[in-house]
Amino acid sequence: GAVVSQHPSRVICKSGTSVKIECRSLDFQATTMFWYRQFPKQSLMLMATSNEGSKATYEQGVEKDKFLINHASLTLSTLTVTSAHPEDSSFYICSARVRQGLNNEQFFGPGTRLTVL
Amino acid sequence: DQQVKQNSPSLSVQEGRISILNCDYTNSMFDYFLWYKKYPAEGPTFLISISSIKDKNEDGRFTVFLNKSAKHLSLHIVPSQPGDSAVYFCAASDNQGGKLIFGQGTELSVKP
Repeated sequence: GAVVSQHPSRVICKSGTSVKIECRSLDFQATTMFWYRQFPKQSLMLMATSNEGSKATYEQGVEKDKFLINHASLTLSTLTVTSAHPEDSSFYICSARVRQGLNNEQFFGPGTRLTVL
Repeated sequence: DQQVKQNSPSLSVQEGRISILNCDYTNSMFDYFLWYKKYPAEGPTFLISISSIKDKNEDGRFTVFLNKSAKHLSLHIVPSQPGDSAVYFCAASDNQGGKLIFGQGTELSVKP
């Protein structure tokens, strides 16, 4: 299957700093990437949809000025958590969509564990 | 409003037996459903999917059944193996925007 990587795999930062997470599709081009977050023992919650060359579409309740998404190329999307606070500590996962006919399959990255002190 | 629900947070099964994981949805616009397997601190791994034009899809030990009238799908794993122990998420999309809506997950434990 398609391979999606994320970097870094884990990051610890101080409150008030900004953190950038990269998501790359390694062996395919992804016009659409998605960003999720998962709290312990909970489901994956979609944060935003990132389309190459255009602005991201954010889900209700997600602050676009806090979670900056850039999808500058067909293989790279970045999520920047600005002015991070302890409540932003979570597991962030990206996915890339692969179109196969009418089907819509998403392949996920390994995730990034963010801890804000 | 939880559009995709997995009402069993956990399931324990003996090795060699069948594991049945259930998922219900409320949005009749959903037309594509997927199951993912997830280990702690890792991203989900795609397992199997089904389109709403089908009621069954099989891939090796994994079979997904879809009952559109009941808005219910299930994942059958047979025979279950200890390596199947993980959290299983069902997800649904309406194939328009490509967004996946996930259930809460069911933690499967297969005991030797």
